[in-house]
Amino acid sequence: KAGVTQTPRYLIKTRGQQVTLSCSPISGHRSVSWYQQTPGQGLQFLFEYFSETQRNKGNFPGRFSGRQFSNSRSEMNVSTLELGDSALYLCASSLAGSLRDQYFGPGTRLLVL
Amino acid sequence: GENVEQHPSTLSVQEGDSAVIKCTYSDSASNYFPWYKQELGKGPQLIIDIRSNVGEKKDQRIAVTLNKTAKHFSLHITETQPEDSAVYFCAASIWHNFNKFYFGSGTKLNVKP
Repeated sequence: KAGVTQTPRYLIKTRGQQVTLSCSPISGHRSVSWYQQTPGQGLQFLFEYFSETQRNKGNFPGRFSGRQFSNSRSEMNVSTLELGDSALYLCASSLAGSLRDQYFGPGTRLLVL
Repeated sequence: GENVEQHPSTLSVQEGDSAVIKCTYSDSASNYFPWYKQELGKGPQLIIDIRSNVGEKKDQRIAVTLNKTAKHFSLHITETQPEDSAVYFCAASIWHNFNKFYFGSGTKLNVKP
């Protein structure tokens, strides 16, 4: 079966702009989680959605938001971009929100200039 | 919050040798310890995990050991092969709790043929 897909794969934005990233989970998976990966801070949990509801949220400012649609696809939005937002943004999906059973997508690499 | 430290940051071994990566954690409430492999251009992939009620787990050439008292856990790869070359991440969490899910900083393993 098809894996987790993320679009776009690469993105360049300038400071102050906003960006929306998309994640399509594995068919049947209802939980989608998002992570930020940077050389300095490593991998950090952003938030997790299940059945269109945000169930968990990491320690990130309110500029980072997300949503999940009825088909389980999820989007992540970052407003007022800062240089430090440059990162690989990963999403992962699982059937019901198990850390053990989540599958990661390839990520969207965001560069903020 | 939890602090997960991972060593070494880079590891170079000859094909056929063993590789060991070590992690320590600070939160005694953590009870789930997964290990991920991330290849270039891909998202992390779970390769093995261990829960706190188990001291050791093995899956073919890969094994993980956990010392709860000392709060450290290790990944052991035996008979390394060039395709084992990747970045490996440890993580510590409270079972199924995304808000308590923390990653180590990663180890870049290079297996020389």
